[in-house]
Parts: sequence; C-alpha cells; structure tokens
Amino acid sequence: AQTVTQSQPEMSVQEAETVTLSCTYDTSENNYYLFWYKQPPSRQMILVIRQEAYKQQNATENRFSVNFQKAAKSFSLKISDSQLGDTAMYFCAFMGENYGGSQGNLIFGKGTKLSVKP
Amino acid sequence: DVKVTQSSRYLVKRTGEKVFLECVQDMDHENMFWYRQDPGLGLRLIYFSYDVKMKEKGDIPEGYSVSREKKERFSLILESASTNQTSMYLCASSSETGEGREKLFFGSGTQLSVL
Repeated sequence: AQTVTQSQPEMSVQEAETVTLSCTYDTSENNYYLFWYKQPPSRQMILVIRQEAYKQQNATENRFSVNFQKAAKSFSLKISDSQLGDTAMYFCAFMGENYGGSQGNLIFGKGTKLSVKP
Repeated sequence: DVKVTQSSRYLVKRTGEKVFLECVQDMDHENMFWYRQDPGLGLRLIYFSYDVKMKEKGDIPEGYSVSREKKERFSLILESASTNQTSMYLCASSSETGEGREKLFFGSGTQLSVL
C-alpha cells in the first residue's frame, strides 16, 4: 500500500527567507503524481504544485519549487522569499495511476504546520 | 469560478443522532470524495463516488454511508453519530477526463462536533 510521510509536524521561517518542507513516499508503481496542498486558516485546500513521476524536470510555480528524487522516493517543497500569507498547513499527497481501480484517490501525509514570522 | 459547496461550516450534534453532510459541485465532475481531517493524522478517505449511484469505500468507511442520487450532489451520512466522529469533513470533486482527474477541488470543510 502507498504511504506518504511528512516528518516535520511544525516549522517556522522568517519572512523573506527560504524554507524546505520534506516528504517521502512509498509505492511500487512506476508512474504516479505527487502534490503539495496548502490549507490556510480559512480551511480551503489549495493546490500549490504538482509533479508527474515520469517527468525528470522539477516542477516550479513562482516562489514554490520541488526537489523530486524518484529513486529516493522523496518530494520536498521549497518556498523562496517566504511571505506572511504562506502561513498554513502543508500537505504532501500521492496519487497512483491505477490505485484500487478508482479514478483518482489522493493519499495524504499528516501535514506540516508552517509559520512565517515577521 | 469553480465551486464545491458544503452546506454547513460548523455543526453540533448529539450522540446517536443521524447526521447528513451535504456537498454540491457546479463543475459537472464525475468523481466526488469525502475526507476526514484530524490533527496529526492528515486527511483520510471515507468514501468516493465516480458516477451517479456508484460508491466505493475508502480507508475508513466504518460508521459512515453515502448517497449520490444526482451528479452534482454527494452526501455523507452518519447513521448514529458518536463522539469519535467529531472531526473536520472535507468534500472534493474531480473530472474523469484529461488533466482534471489529477486536480481535486475542495470545499471549505464542515467542522462537526458530536456531544
């Protein structure tokens, strides 16, 4: 069974600095998708970034980038120039291409609570 | 703007009550999901549906049932609420086709307290 592990329950960073959130996963599938979701205090889950396993190039979205290491099954999120609005829970998630025959189940990690301090 | 709407943001119920959590999406999505979110546990899948009247169990279906009579609406039912079902419940939907399958849209959640 697929699992997703986030080993940092809480982290903090000073405004304008860079922070990296860790995520590892376990799967026997060769092709799959990895995601980082952000959940601010409003509770609305927001997709931050997505990576397809067959793509070697690391995904980037403005200040957010990932370090995808397929062999190591590692998928970390780097936030550059941290802003106060980045304060949120961050969830790493996995979706297999053929998980249980369904059309797309996300498996989530337990989350990392990020606080950006002024 | 696409939307997944959950009927209640906060809900307080008593042990033994039958509870309905409603979720409506306006994107004509085939797939709909119910997750439960607890501190330190992340999100766990309760049930999902990939078509009208179709449902499949997720990782923690015990104590829950679902109903999908119309494509846009997916209801989560607690037949007899218990205190250990106090939690945040999140609904999500996604499209069956193309890139939509990998992109889930979430509602804002219902914080349910069972007393």
